[in-house]
Amino acid sequence: GAVVSQHPSRVICKSGTSVKIECRSLDFQATTMFWYRQFPKKSLMLMATSNEGSKATYEQGVEKDKFLINHASLTLSTLTVTSAHPEDSSFYICSARGGASGTTDTQYFGPGTRLTVL
Amino acid sequence: GENVEQHPSTLSVQEGDSAVIKCTYSDSASNYFPWYKQELGKRPQLIIDIRSNVGEKKDQRIAVTLNKTAKHFSLHITETQPEDSAVYFCAASDENTGNQFYFGTGTSLTVIP
Repeated sequence: GAVVSQHPSRVICKSGTSVKIECRSLDFQATTMFWYRQFPKKSLMLMATSNEGSKATYEQGVEKDKFLINHASLTLSTLTVTSAHPEDSSFYICSARGGASGTTDTQYFGPGTRLTVL
Repeated sequence: GENVEQHPSTLSVQEGDSAVIKCTYSDSASNYFPWYKQELGKRPQLIIDIRSNVGEKKDQRIAVTLNKTAKHFSLHITETQPEDSAVYFCAASDENTGNQFYFGTGTSLTVIP
Protein backbone atom coordinates (compact mmCIF):
# COMPACT_ATOMS: atom_id res chain seq x y z
CA GLY A 1 0.00 0.00 0.00
CA ALA A 2 0.83 3.72 0.04
CA VAL A 3 1.89 4.02 -3.58
CA VAL A 4 2.41 7.40 -5.18
CA SER A 5 2.79 7.83 -8.91
CA GLN A 6 4.10 10.79 -10.81
CA HIS A 7 3.81 11.63 -14.46
CA PRO A 8 5.70 12.27 -16.62
CA SER A 9 8.97 10.76 -15.45
CA ARG A 10 10.96 12.86 -17.87
CA VAL A 11 10.11 15.93 -19.88
CA ILE A 12 12.11 18.16 -22.17
CA CYS A 13 10.60 21.46 -23.17
CA LYS A 14 11.54 24.70 -24.83
CA SER A 15 12.16 27.84 -22.85
CA GLY A 16 8.96 29.84 -22.38
CA THR A 17 6.58 26.90 -22.45
CA SER A 18 4.62 25.45 -19.55
CA VAL A 19 4.90 21.95 -18.15
CA LYS A 20 2.39 20.12 -15.99
CA ILE A 21 3.42 17.36 -13.60
CA GLU A 22 0.85 15.08 -12.00
CA CYS A 23 1.12 13.38 -8.64
CA ARG A 24 -1.35 10.68 -7.68
CA SER A 25 -1.86 8.60 -4.59
CA LEU A 26 -2.96 5.26 -5.98
CA ASP A 27 -4.27 3.35 -3.01
CA PHE A 28 -5.01 5.93 -0.37
CA GLN A 29 -6.48 9.36 0.05
CA ALA A 30 -3.97 12.08 0.57
CA THR A 31 -5.29 15.17 2.25
CA THR A 32 -1.89 16.76 1.99
CA MET A 33 0.67 16.56 -0.78
CA PHE A 34 4.08 18.13 -0.91
CA TRP A 35 6.20 19.28 -3.83
CA TYR A 36 9.96 19.17 -3.62
CA ARG A 37 12.79 20.15 -5.87
CA GLN A 38 16.07 18.30 -5.75
CA PHE A 39 19.35 19.36 -7.28
CA PRO A 40 22.05 16.79 -8.04
CA LYS A 41 23.61 15.36 -4.90
CA LYS A 42 21.55 17.69 -2.76
CA SER A 43 18.75 17.30 -0.29
CA LEU A 44 15.05 17.74 -0.93
CA MET A 45 13.93 21.34 -0.97
CA LEU A 46 10.29 21.82 -0.07
CA MET A 47 8.54 24.09 -2.55
CA ALA A 48 4.97 24.00 -1.35
CA THR A 49 2.39 22.16 0.68
CA SER A 50 -0.83 21.33 -1.09
CA ASN A 51 -4.07 20.65 0.75
CA GLU A 52 -7.08 19.26 -1.05
CA GLY A 53 -9.60 21.95 -1.85
CA SER A 54 -7.55 24.88 -0.68
CA LYS A 55 -4.72 27.05 -1.88
CA ALA A 56 -1.21 25.74 -1.63
CA THR A 57 1.21 27.11 0.94
CA TYR A 58 4.46 28.12 -0.68
CA GLU A 59 7.86 28.20 0.96
CA GLN A 60 9.77 31.43 1.10
CA GLY A 61 11.45 32.22 -2.18
CA VAL A 62 9.19 30.03 -4.31
CA GLU A 63 7.16 32.01 -6.84
CA LYS A 64 3.54 30.94 -6.64
CA ASP A 65 2.72 32.46 -10.02
CA LYS A 66 5.47 30.45 -11.63
CA PHE A 67 4.86 27.15 -9.90
CA LEU A 68 1.11 26.66 -9.97
CA ILE A 69 -0.21 23.95 -7.72
CA ASN A 70 -3.68 22.48 -7.84
CA HIS A 71 -4.98 19.81 -5.48
CA ALA A 72 -8.41 19.15 -6.91
CA SER A 73 -9.06 15.77 -5.33
CA LEU A 74 -7.84 13.55 -2.53
CA THR A 75 -5.72 11.57 -4.95
CA LEU A 76 -4.35 14.14 -7.38
CA SER A 77 -2.15 17.19 -7.16
CA THR A 78 -0.58 18.95 -10.11
CA LEU A 79 2.41 21.24 -10.42
CA THR A 80 2.61 23.48 -13.47
CA VAL A 81 5.88 25.17 -14.22
CA THR A 82 4.89 28.23 -16.22
CA SER A 83 7.12 30.05 -18.68
CA ALA A 84 9.90 27.59 -18.00
CA HIS A 85 13.52 28.70 -18.15
CA PRO A 86 16.71 26.64 -18.20
CA GLU A 87 17.27 27.38 -14.51
CA ASP A 88 14.02 25.55 -13.78
CA SER A 89 15.66 22.33 -14.95
CA SER A 90 15.67 20.01 -11.99
CA PHE A 91 14.28 16.86 -10.43
CA TYR A 92 10.79 17.50 -9.05
CA ILE A 93 9.38 15.04 -6.53
CA CYS A 94 5.99 14.96 -4.93
CA SER A 95 4.98 13.20 -1.77
CA ALA A 96 1.67 12.38 -0.21
CA ARG A 97 0.84 12.26 3.43
CA GLY A 98 -1.37 9.44 4.48
CA GLY A 99 -1.62 5.78 3.95
CA ALA A 100 -3.64 2.66 4.31
CA SER A 101 -4.29 0.89 7.57
CA GLY A 102 -4.29 4.04 9.61
CA THR A 103 -0.78 5.08 8.69
CA THR A 104 -1.44 8.75 8.38
CA ASP A 105 1.70 10.39 9.54
CA THR A 106 4.46 9.76 7.09
CA GLN A 107 5.13 10.88 3.55
CA TYR A 108 5.33 8.58 0.58
CA PHE A 109 7.23 9.82 -2.41
CA GLY A 110 6.51 9.68 -6.09
CA PRO A 111 9.24 8.54 -8.49
CA GLY A 112 10.10 12.08 -9.52
CA THR A 113 10.05 14.04 -12.77
CA ARG A 114 13.24 15.07 -14.50
CA LEU A 115 12.57 18.42 -16.18
CA THR A 116 14.99 19.75 -18.75
CA VAL A 117 14.34 23.18 -20.22
CA LEU A 118 16.24 23.95 -23.40
CA GLY B 1 11.67 26.99 12.27
CA GLU B 2 13.23 23.58 12.47
CA ASN B 3 16.86 23.05 11.43
CA VAL B 4 18.14 19.53 10.83
CA GLU B 5 21.83 18.81 10.50
CA GLN B 6 23.18 15.50 9.27
CA HIS B 7 26.64 13.97 9.50
CA PRO B 8 28.68 12.67 7.88
CA SER B 9 28.00 13.79 4.33
CA THR B 10 29.86 10.78 2.94
CA LEU B 11 30.61 7.44 4.54
CA SER B 12 32.48 4.42 3.24
CA VAL B 13 32.48 1.12 5.06
CA GLN B 14 33.63 -2.38 4.32
CA GLU B 15 30.97 -4.95 3.65
CA GLY B 16 29.87 -6.51 6.91
CA ASP B 17 30.82 -3.53 9.03
CA SER B 18 28.35 -1.17 10.68
CA ALA B 19 27.40 2.30 9.53
CA VAL B 20 26.10 5.10 11.73
CA ILE B 21 24.56 8.34 10.52
CA LYS B 22 23.69 11.10 12.96
CA CYS B 23 21.20 13.94 12.84
CA THR B 24 20.44 16.79 15.18
CA TYR B 25 17.37 18.97 15.25
CA SER B 26 16.59 22.30 16.85
CA ASP B 27 12.84 22.39 17.49
CA SER B 28 11.81 20.58 20.65
CA ALA B 29 8.27 20.33 19.25
CA SER B 30 9.42 17.85 16.60
CA ASN B 31 8.06 14.44 17.45
CA TYR B 32 8.39 12.31 14.34
CA PHE B 33 11.69 11.30 12.75
CA PRO B 34 11.73 9.26 9.54
CA TRP B 35 14.74 8.02 7.61
CA TYR B 36 14.73 7.70 3.84
CA LYS B 37 17.01 5.85 1.47
CA GLN B 38 17.42 7.24 -2.02
CA GLU B 39 19.19 5.41 -4.79
CA LEU B 40 20.49 7.36 -7.75
CA GLY B 41 17.64 8.73 -9.84
CA LYS B 42 15.01 7.04 -7.70
CA ARG B 43 12.46 8.18 -5.19
CA PRO B 44 13.26 8.38 -1.47
CA GLN B 45 12.01 5.26 0.26
CA LEU B 46 11.04 5.21 3.92
CA ILE B 47 13.22 2.66 5.70
CA ILE B 48 12.45 3.30 9.35
CA ASP B 49 10.89 5.94 11.53
CA ILE B 50 10.61 6.75 15.21
CA ARG B 51 8.33 8.86 17.32
CA SER B 52 9.29 10.83 20.35
CA ASN B 53 7.62 8.50 22.79
CA VAL B 54 10.24 5.80 22.21
CA GLY B 55 14.01 5.84 22.41
CA GLU B 56 14.91 3.08 20.01
CA LYS B 57 13.38 1.09 17.20
CA LYS B 58 14.83 -1.81 15.29
CA ASP B 59 13.94 -3.55 12.05
CA GLN B 60 16.30 -6.38 11.15
CA ARG B 61 19.68 -4.78 10.31
CA ILE B 62 18.42 -1.24 10.72
CA ALA B 63 17.89 0.61 13.97
CA VAL B 64 17.18 4.17 14.95
CA THR B 65 17.86 5.77 18.31
CA LEU B 66 16.46 9.03 19.61
CA ASN B 67 17.71 11.26 22.41
CA LYS B 68 15.06 13.91 22.97
CA THR B 69 17.03 15.75 25.61
CA ALA B 70 20.02 16.22 23.35
CA LYS B 71 17.81 16.56 20.26
CA HIS B 72 19.63 14.02 18.19
CA PHE B 73 18.77 10.77 16.47
CA SER B 74 20.88 8.24 14.66
CA LEU B 75 20.53 5.54 12.04
CA HIS B 76 22.46 2.33 12.59
CA ILE B 77 22.96 -0.23 9.84
CA THR B 78 24.65 -3.47 10.85
CA GLU B 79 26.21 -6.13 8.64
CA THR B 80 26.24 -3.75 5.71
CA GLN B 81 25.83 -5.07 2.19
CA PRO B 82 26.67 -3.48 -1.18
CA GLU B 83 22.97 -2.92 -1.82
CA ASP B 84 22.90 -0.61 1.19
CA SER B 85 24.92 1.88 -0.87
CA ALA B 86 22.70 4.94 -1.38
CA VAL B 87 22.02 8.40 -0.04
CA TYR B 88 20.25 8.47 3.30
CA PHE B 89 18.18 11.40 4.51
CA CYS B 90 16.90 12.04 7.99
CA ALA B 91 13.94 14.28 8.64
CA ALA B 92 12.12 15.82 11.55
CA SER B 93 8.56 16.97 11.82
CA ASP B 94 5.87 18.04 14.25
CA GLU B 95 2.86 15.84 13.60
CA ASN B 96 0.64 18.31 15.41
CA THR B 97 1.21 21.13 12.91
CA GLY B 98 0.82 19.61 9.47
CA ASN B 99 3.69 17.20 9.27
CA GLN B 100 5.98 19.28 7.08
CA PHE B 101 9.26 17.43 6.92
CA TYR B 102 12.55 19.17 7.48
CA PHE B 103 15.24 17.13 5.79
CA GLY B 104 18.88 16.74 6.61
CA THR B 105 21.47 17.31 3.91
CA GLY B 106 21.95 13.62 3.22
CA THR B 107 24.68 11.03 3.68
CA SER B 108 26.13 9.18 0.74
CA LEU B 109 26.92 5.67 1.98
CA THR B 110 29.22 3.40 0.02
CA VAL B 111 29.62 -0.20 1.06
CA ILE B 112 32.82 -1.66 -0.34
CA PRO B 113 32.59 -5.35 -1.24
